[in-house]
This record gives sequence, C-alpha cells and structure tokens, in this order.
Amino acid sequence: GAVVSQHPSWVICKSGTSVKIECRSLDFQATTMFWYRQFPKQSLMLMATSNEGSKATYEQGVEKDKFLINHASLTLSTLTVTSAHPEDSSFYICSLPESGRGRNEQFFGPGTRLTVL
Amino acid sequence: DAKTTQPPSMDCAEGRAANLPCNHSTISGNEYVYWYRQIHSQGPQYIIHGLKNNETNEMASLIITEDRKSSTLILPHATLRDTAVYYCIVRVFNDYKLSFGAGTTVTVRA
Repeated sequence: GAVVSQHPSWVICKSGTSVKIECRSLDFQATTMFWYRQFPKQSLMLMATSNEGSKATYEQGVEKDKFLINHASLTLSTLTVTSAHPEDSSFYICSLPESGRGRNEQFFGPGTRLTVL
Repeated sequence: DAKTTQPPSMDCAEGRAANLPCNHSTISGNEYVYWYRQIHSQGPQYIIHGLKNNETNEMASLIITEDRKSSTLILPHATLRDTAVYYCIVRVFNDYKLSFGAGTTVTVRA
C-alpha cells in the first residue's frame, strides 16, 4: 500500500509562532489528502481535505485562515498552523486514499505531535 | 452523530482470540464496514472491510450479521503488539472522509 511520511514527527514551539507540517506520499500520487487532528485521549477529527492544484475544503468549525493547507504537488501537502497557541497542541495526522486492489483504503502518516508553549 | 457503537475497552489474553463487537444499526445499503486500529502515538492502520459477506485476511476476520446491523472483528491469536484502539467505521465505498468514533481500547495481557 501507499507509504506516507510526515515531517517533523514532533515539534515544540512558542505561542504566536507558525509551524509547518509536511505530508508526503512516497510511492503514490495523490490528488487528495486529508488532515486530521487528535487531542489527548480523544479520537481523530477530520480538519480538512487537501486538493492538489486547488483550494482546500475545511470541515465546520476549522478556521481556514489559521490552518493553511497547500497541496502543490501530487506527493506533498503541507499544513501550516499560524500564530499557534497552546490550545493548538495536538497530534496532527495526514492520510491519503488509494483506490487500488478493490480496497478503497486510507493510508495514514505517522503523525506530528505539536506542543505549543 | 455517531454511526457506530463500540465498547470503550476490552482486555484479552495473549494467544487467545479477541472478539470486538460493533453496532451500526442505521447502516445504509451502500455503506461498508471498515475497521482501523491505532497503536499509541501512531497513525491509524487499515485492518479489514466488508459489505455483507464475512471477510478474512492476514490480520483479522470480519463477521457481519445478516441484517448488517452489527459486526465483529476477530483477532484470531492476539499478541502484545495488537494492543491498540480499534475503530469501526461505516462509509460509502468511495467516500474517503472518515468519521472516527471513540473506538475500543484493546489491551492484550501476557
């Protein structure tokens, strides 16, 4: 199946700074990628759908100006948390769909743990 | 709104079968049952999926009731590495936007 990487795997930043998280598909071209957020002891929540060559679509309640998504190529999507605050501390996970082999699976990245001080 | 209901936690002895139930009484005719698991601090991992027939792969078996209102994921010989949160999700085949519930935290004990 598809191999998905994320960088960095963890990051600590000061309040007010911006943090960029990369999601790469290493062996598969993806026109669509998804970004999820997971707070401690909670489940994953879909934040947005990243579309190659066009604007991302955001789920209700997710601020598009705060969570900037860029999907500039078929193998890379980035999520930038702008002016991060402690409440943005979370585990951010990307995924990409693969429709081959009749599974219609989602392949998830290993996640990026963001801690905002 | 949650489409599936799972027990919050389950313990299992190493080497024994683990049977994880999931209720999805409002499942639509075109929705599949998917199972994922998430080991601590990692991204979720696909396990298996099915529509109405029972399915088996190298990881697990999926038993879906005839009325499709519930299903059971079976890990035939649980190992310590199977300790994870297991998510049961119903979705249309080509809808990749996943809605995760709370899942079942499975702890495999030696």
